Amino acid sequence: QKEVEQDPGPLSVPEGAIVSLNCTYSNSAFQYFMWYRQYSRKGPELLMYTYSSGNKEDGRFTAQVDKSSKYISLFIRDSQPSDSATYLCAMRASGGGADGLTFGKGTHLIIQP
Amino acid sequence: NAGVTQTPKFRILKIGQSMTLQCTQDMNHNYMYWYRQDPGMGLKLIYYSVGAGITDKGEVPNGYNVSRSTTEDFPLRLELAAPSQTSVYFCASSSRGGVGVETQYFGPGTRLLVL
Repeated sequence: QKEVEQDPGPLSVPEGAIVSLNCTYSNSAFQYFMWYRQYSRKGPELLMYTYSSGNKEDGRFTAQVDKSSKYISLFIRDSQPSDSATYLCAMRASGGGADGLTFGKGTHLIIQP
Repeated sequence: NAGVTQTPKFRILKIGQSMTLQCTQDMNHNYMYWYRQDPGMGLKLIYYSVGAGITDKGEVPNGYNVSRSTTEDFPLRLELAAPSQTSVYFCASSSRGGVGVETQYFGPGTRLLVL
């Protein structure tokens, strides 16, 4: 079983729809959970991060973490064509030193105008 | 403030050739990372560095070497290129590691094709 599972999509929705992106993980040591957005032929950029369980909201974006189920989600409200990108979940253990993040494969999201 | 810059943007190598992927950051970050991203896959950590003179292996270090002589630069060396090293390589930096979430800033990537 891979450490982080993420449906690669593509996920295609009409403009204005609510989008739900999800990841599951197996390592119970993960404490910090991030969502990166990656446009085509660009580097990833941090979108949201959450510590431990709970919700975090930033504008149209909401990140949720359910550690008991080892499940994280990113919701996008009022989706826009500019949201079309690949969304990568990433996570790391607490106090994990300087080692890098563990990434999911990414979900390719397409918002249809 | 250019952030993280990488050169070249694209390169074709023949099997057995060597090359260095350059990475520079101007944010005075101590921590730097090299990832590779294969098609349809997430990023995998190759090497990382916590400061000048200090490097350590990540998840997939075989076939690569790194050095960190300055805070700004973190080059990645491929000594004997193999087709399995065809990938997109991303360099990233962050202000600190350890406890807490630090934002990793990524460069635009170098696309490498080994034939």
